[in-house]
Parts: sequence; structure tokens; C-alpha cells
Amino acid sequence: AQSVTQPDIHITVSEGASLELRCNYSYGATPYLFWYVQSPGQGLQLLLKYFSGDTLVQGIKGFEAEFKRSQSSFNLRKPSVHWSDAAEYFCAVGPMNTGFQKLVFGTGTRLLVSP
Amino acid sequence: EAGVAQSPRYKIIEKRQSVAFWCNPISGHATLYWYQQILGQGPKLLIQFQNNGVVDDSQLPKDRFSAERLKGVDSTLKIQPAKLEDSAVYLCASSLEIGRTYEQYFGPGTRLTVT
Repeated sequence: AQSVTQPDIHITVSEGASLELRCNYSYGATPYLFWYVQSPGQGLQLLLKYFSGDTLVQGIKGFEAEFKRSQSSFNLRKPSVHWSDAAEYFCAVGPMNTGFQKLVFGTGTRLLVSP
Repeated sequence: EAGVAQSPRYKIIEKRQSVAFWCNPISGHATLYWYQQILGQGPKLLIQFQNNGVVDDSQLPKDRFSAERLKGVDSTLKIQPAKLEDSAVYLCASSLEIGRTYEQYFGPGTRLTVT
């Protein structure tokens, strides 16, 4: 069965510092990979997605993620964090070999931004 | 463009009572999803509709949960009777089509507390 691991429950980063959120997945083949962000009281918003091709994916709000097949990882990065980035971040995988999108989410990483 | 609408935003009920949640997807979106997000966990797909037909309800506890999308637009998720472990945020999402490349847009969710 496919699964997603986000090993960090909480991360605190100083404003202006760089950020990396970790995501590892377990799946029989290369899945589709996603990062979502959830602000308090809000629904999830898609930051970026990887389907195929270039393993470095650019997303919204200055985020990027790199797919590393050998490590089964899809880590999210941002070079300079803003206070407004404080939120919960979810990594998700979806099967490539079906016609519909059934996402499996990780448990999330809560990002705190200190002044 | 209006987003995914959900109501109510909050609901408190006692165990063994029934409750219903309503979702209005983005206009023109054929695919609708209901997720359950328990505190500290990522969202878990409960049921997926394509127009008014069920695509996947493998993780829906059918002894107490039911969902319908009669006219292929709005959807209702019902729990009867509720248990303490049903306390969670219930998220509705929609996408333009059923294909795996179509982005899911999430509503703000309904926070259910069962006492």
C-alpha cells in the first residue's frame, strides 16, 4: 500500500532563512507527487505537483520541490521564508496507473516562523 | 471564480446523534471528493463522485456514513449515528474532471465535535 512519511511534526524557521520540509513515500512505482499548504481555518491549497520530466518543480509563493527517485523523496524548499508562510504543509501521492486521482496524504508538518 | 463552499463551518453534537454536511463545488466541476481530517493527521479520502455517480467509496464507513450527489452538483455527507471518533474536519474538494492531472480545489471544511 502506498504511504507518505513527513518525519517533522513541527519546524521553526527564522524569517528570511531557508526552509526544507521532508517527504518520503512508499509506492510500487513512481507516483504523482503533490505539496499542499493549509492555513488555519482554510482548506488546502496546491503549492506544486510532479508528474514527470524535470525533477525540480517550481510552485506558487516561491516554493520548489525536488523529486529524487533513488531516495523516494520529494522535499519542499524555499530560499527565504516570510512570516505569512506559517501554516501546515502536506505532502501527498497519487497513483499513476489509474484514471482518477486518489490522493494519500502525509501527516503534515507545521511551520512556525520566528521574527 | 467562487471557491468550494461548505456548511456549516462548525458543528457540535452528542454521540449517537446524526449530522449532515453540505458542499457546493466550483461551478462546472464534475468530480467531487469528501475527506476526513482527524487532528494531527492528513486528510483521508472518504468518497469520490464523478457527476452523480460514485467512483470510489472504499474508505467510507458505510454502516454510519452516507453521501449523495443527486443532481451532479451539490453533495451531502451524513453521519448517523455519530461516534466520538468521528470528531474531525470534513473537507470537500472538487476538480474539473476525473483525470489525475486535474487539480483538486478544497473548501474550508466543517469542524465536527462529537461529545
